[in-house]
Amino acid sequence: EIVLTQSPGTLSLSPGERASLSCRASQSVGNNYLVWYQQKPGQAPRPLIYGASSRAAGIPDRFSGSGSGTDFTLTISRLEPEDFAVYYCQQYASPPLTFGGGTKVESK
Amino acid sequence: EVQLVESGGALVQPGGSLRLSCAASGFTFSTFWIQWVRQAPGKGLEWVAIIKNDGRETHYVDSVKGRFTISRDNAKNSLTLQMNSLRVEDTALYYCVAGVGWRPDYWGQGTLVTVSS
Repeated sequence: EIVLTQSPGTLSLSPGERASLSCRASQSVGNNYLVWYQQKPGQAPRPLIYGASSRAAGIPDRFSGSGSGTDFTLTISRLEPEDFAVYYCQQYASPPLTFGGGTKVESK
Repeated sequence: EVQLVESGGALVQPGGSLRLSCAASGFTFSTFWIQWVRQAPGKGLEWVAIIKNDGRETHYVDSVKGRFTISRDNAKNSLTLQMNSLRVEDTALYYCVAGVGWRPDYWGQGTLVTVSS
């Protein structure tokens, strides 16, 4: 089983600042099949990035994903008010298709 | 427009059974793999199970193996999660997720399962 560890647990930033979220895997994620999600209270998760670096349809270009193998990063270049939420990574390379524990991005 | 609508969530006693359903529309159901993902109140996401587009392959998280069964009826565009021997720790919002292969493309809004005496 691939264990995903997200850090930090909470990120306190101001609108306009840059956010960098980490997702580290216990073993290499095949084909870099890693997805990033945004989740707001009372809503289903919204996919942002597939394959570690490809934005999903309709996702603003301030969201970008990078990394390969075991280390992945989600970057939000300039935080907008609507970006404050919880972010999860998930690997879809091999079952069980595990999730990271999440990073909460909160307004400072 | 792709739609996934979960139903069947309820309050059930420990040891009881429940059947969740997921109704799909807006895409060719028989070509997509379908997953269940759950989220306990105030907690993170947990992957539960997945079924291949033709129903011939399934995978489960260890904690539900032998208790949960995922199945599908492509003629009816529907998916079922049969949950037996329910435990308090199965309490969660259960999401139905469809995608190409194992990639999670489309999410429903979830159905709430509460296991409590």
